Amino acid sequence: AQSVTQPDIHITVSEGASLELRCNYSYGATPYLFWYVQSPGQGLQLLLKYFSGDTLVQGIKGFEAEFKRSQSSFNLRKPSVHWSDAAEYFCAVGVPSGAGSYQLTFGKGTKLSVIP
Amino acid sequence: NAGVTQTPKFQVLKTGQSMTLQCAQDMNHNSMYWYRQDPGMGLRLIYYSASEGTTDKGEVPNGYNVSRLNKREFSLRLESAAPSQTSVYFCASSDSLAGAETQYFGPGTRLLVL
Repeated sequence: AQSVTQPDIHITVSEGASLELRCNYSYGATPYLFWYVQSPGQGLQLLLKYFSGDTLVQGIKGFEAEFKRSQSSFNLRKPSVHWSDAAEYFCAVGVPSGAGSYQLTFGKGTKLSVIP
Repeated sequence: NAGVTQTPKFQVLKTGQSMTLQCAQDMNHNSMYWYRQDPGMGLRLIYYSASEGTTDKGEVPNGYNVSRLNKREFSLRLESAAPSQTSVYFCASSDSLAGAETQYFGPGTRLLVL
């Protein structure tokens, strides 16, 4: 069965500093990988996704992530964090579950706090 | 487009009561999903419906039932609520014909079982 590990429960960075959120996955085949963001009291918004091809993917809000097969990782990065980036971030792996649907398995999330 | 909508936004139940959480999407998606989110646990899949007329169990189906009423609507029913079902419930949908892997989420229903 697939699994996702986000090693950092909570990260605090200063505004303007760079950010890297870690994600490791376990899955037997080539995975579909996602990063979602959740602001307090809100639903989940897709930041970016990786299916195949270029291992560096660009997302919304200036985020990017790099797929490294050898390390089973899909880390999320942003060069300069803004106060509005404070939220909880979830990494997920998607596996097909028949008839065109996909099951997402989520990590437990990393809460990002930003110091002004 | 409203995307994925969920009702109610918040509900308080007593142990043993029943209720149905409603979900609707206006994106003409074939697949729909129900997740629960608990602190420190991420999101876990309860049930999903790959297409109209089909439903399947996810990771944590016990205590729940679902109905895919039509292509737009997918409801989640708690027949006899328990305090362990206190959680935030999210509905999601995806298009099996294109970009099926990408799921779009509703705003959530916060359920408290006393």
